[in-house]
Amino acid sequence: GEDVEQSLFLSVREGDSSVINCTYTDSSSTYLYWYKQEPGAGLQLLTYIFSNMDMKQDQRLTVLLNKKDKHLSLRIADTQTGDSAIYFCAESFTGTASKLTFGTGTRLQVTL
Amino acid sequence: DAGVIQSPRHEVTEMGQEVTLRCKPISGHDYLFWYRQTMMRGLELLIYFNNNVPIDDSGMPEDRFSAKMPNASFSTLKIQPSEPRDSAVYFCASNARDSFTIYFGEGSWLTVV
Repeated sequence: GEDVEQSLFLSVREGDSSVINCTYTDSSSTYLYWYKQEPGAGLQLLTYIFSNMDMKQDQRLTVLLNKKDKHLSLRIADTQTGDSAIYFCAESFTGTASKLTFGTGTRLQVTL
Repeated sequence: DAGVIQSPRHEVTEMGQEVTLRCKPISGHDYLFWYRQTMMRGLELLIYFNNNVPIDDSGMPEDRFSAKMPNASFSTLKIQPSEPRDSAVYFCASNARDSFTIYFGEGSWLTVV
């Protein structure tokens, strides 16, 4: 199957770390992505990870991949109000230029 | 680069009318995707093209939907006749053959009343 699931909502205080989780069911996924969608806007690619990696760090973002449990997470360090958005994980099966299957999206709310 | 450009950004139309959504992909990109986003179903891939040729249209909901890509710089998604359940945000996206990055447009927000 190609189900990708996420929790719907996460609220954190400004300055704290946010952890957004995602589970997928198809072990043949080769690339996993995190996209950010701000209100009224399109999707912006934040980062991606190959299925043969465990972790990827990019500035405030850390992606962890547990292939055994089919679990992907995105950690945002020092969360800011500008990070408030919907975050989607997505998977593809054939790598480059492949169609994406998106998760349900997690709405991150950052409070002062 | 201007990114993926979609038009119109917003459209309100009456049930039964024809709707045409337009997309200009990023120059040089080989792949073009049409996605639909709704509260109930999330993001769904409708169809995608490679070098202007439709590759997978299994996500197109029904015959009322059609998509074309007459050249490398232009694609349309047409709904005829439109129904209220077609109300959604329609995203166009593109990427290059050797890239992991799919770029999305800002979306066309369609309301059918």
